[in-house]
Amino acid sequence: GQQVMQIPQYQHVQEGEDFTTYCNSSTTLSNIQWYKQRPGGHPVFLIQLVKSGEVKKQKRLTFQFGEAKKNSSLHITATQTTDVGTYFCAGRTQGGSEKLVFGKGTKLTVNP
Amino acid sequence: DAGITQSPRHKVTETGTPVTLRCHQTENHRYMYWYRQDPGHGLRLIHYSYGVKDTDKGEVSDGYSVSRSKTEDFLLTLESATSSQTSVYFCAISESDRGYGYTFGSGTRLTVV
Repeated sequence: GQQVMQIPQYQHVQEGEDFTTYCNSSTTLSNIQWYKQRPGGHPVFLIQLVKSGEVKKQKRLTFQFGEAKKNSSLHITATQTTDVGTYFCAGRTQGGSEKLVFGKGTKLTVNP
Repeated sequence: DAGITQSPRHKVTETGTPVTLRCHQTENHRYMYWYRQDPGHGLRLIHYSYGVKDTDKGEVSDGYSVSRSKTEDFLLTLESATSSQTSVYFCAISESDRGYGYTFGSGTRLTVV
């Protein structure tokens, strides 16, 4: 079945450093979504990418969708303690099941 | 998030007992989902619904059943709870099965002893 791999599993940074998490699919995706889950909380939708090569920004967060629509990344510039949490990507297979398949997430901790 | 509530928030139950978790939405969204979240496994889909009385299985449906008799309610039943079903269960809703982000409930922490 469709798999969405996410790396790294954990990332610890000093406040002010940049952070990137990567998502890779074994199959071409129709779109990809990103979610953030704060410790003890529930996943919250951040953004959806649809087009090949698409780049979207939300303040210090930059989201990219690969040209082949098989990979994606989330980059945070100058991390803050409020960025702490687990970031999940979730993709839908192109031409296959339309259900979202979630990556296992990257847990980000930020040292103040 | 406003518009979706899960109950109970916490539950401890004994092995072999049936358990029902409830998801209630006020958004009138067509799609509803049940996920479980376990360390090292991320979010895994149990069952989902695409309308009243229309449901389908996800990747980890064994030992679970669902019902949706009204648009606003989606029930998840563990027919005979096992320790492997100790988990955090999240309900999610979506306006469509494509093109929209999911809104998640606050979760139910279930412990089977």
